[in-house]
Amino acid sequence: QSALTQPASVSGSPGQSITISCTETNSDIGHFNYVSWYQQHPGKGPKLIIYAVSNRPSGVSNRFSGSKSGNTASLTISGLQAEDEADYYCSSYTSSTTAFGTGTKVSVL
Amino acid sequence: EVQLVESGGGSVHPGSSLRLSCEGSGFVFSAYDINWVRQRPGKGLEWVSAFGSAGDTYYADFVKGRFTVSRENVKDSVYLQMTNLGLGDTAVYYCAARYGSGSPEPLDYWGQGTLVTVSS
Repeated sequence: QSALTQPASVSGSPGQSITISCTETNSDIGHFNYVSWYQQHPGKGPKLIIYAVSNRPSGVSNRFSGSKSGNTASLTISGLQAEDEADYYCSSYTSSTTAFGTGTKVSVL
Repeated sequence: EVQLVESGGGSVHPGSSLRLSCEGSGFVFSAYDINWVRQRPGKGLEWVSAFGSAGDTYYADFVKGRFTVSRENVKDSVYLQMTNLGLGDTAVYYCAARYGSGSPEPLDYWGQGTLVTVSS
């Protein structure tokens, strides 16, 4: 099972760009090609915002983008807006199991 | 509109059992793997179990032997039977759907969750 480490919190001002990292600390790097990101607002279920490292589902703002380098995946939020204040989780998955990152709280100052 | 609706949560004592339900609508339910993911109070997401579209089942190590997942496609529903519940099982339980293509896919759809509280 992968261990995915994220920073506990990231903050930025409206209009700025922020980046959240997700580092895999397990040697099972092959699964890390299937990295997704989820956004969760308080009291709500998570929402898929990035899948397969850098793909956006239909309807997700293009202010969200994903990338990966080595054993670290990243989520960048451009043009930060108040509605982006939420928790964000990375995830790696196979056809049978899913691992989640430790989660990052994004605050909009 | 795609919907996943969980039900069956509640407050129970340690050692008790509980059955959660997840009903889907607005998509071809039988084509999706249905996963259970939990979130303990103030904590992150934790994958629990899955019932694949092909009939396969999967469990996290910490629930093996205690939780059983089942499915009724005619009712567009998946169930999580939880037994011998402990204080550490207190969490919001979400069901989430992954397209069952046989290849790695993300969790496309999520419910709003049902709260399970285990306390003495």
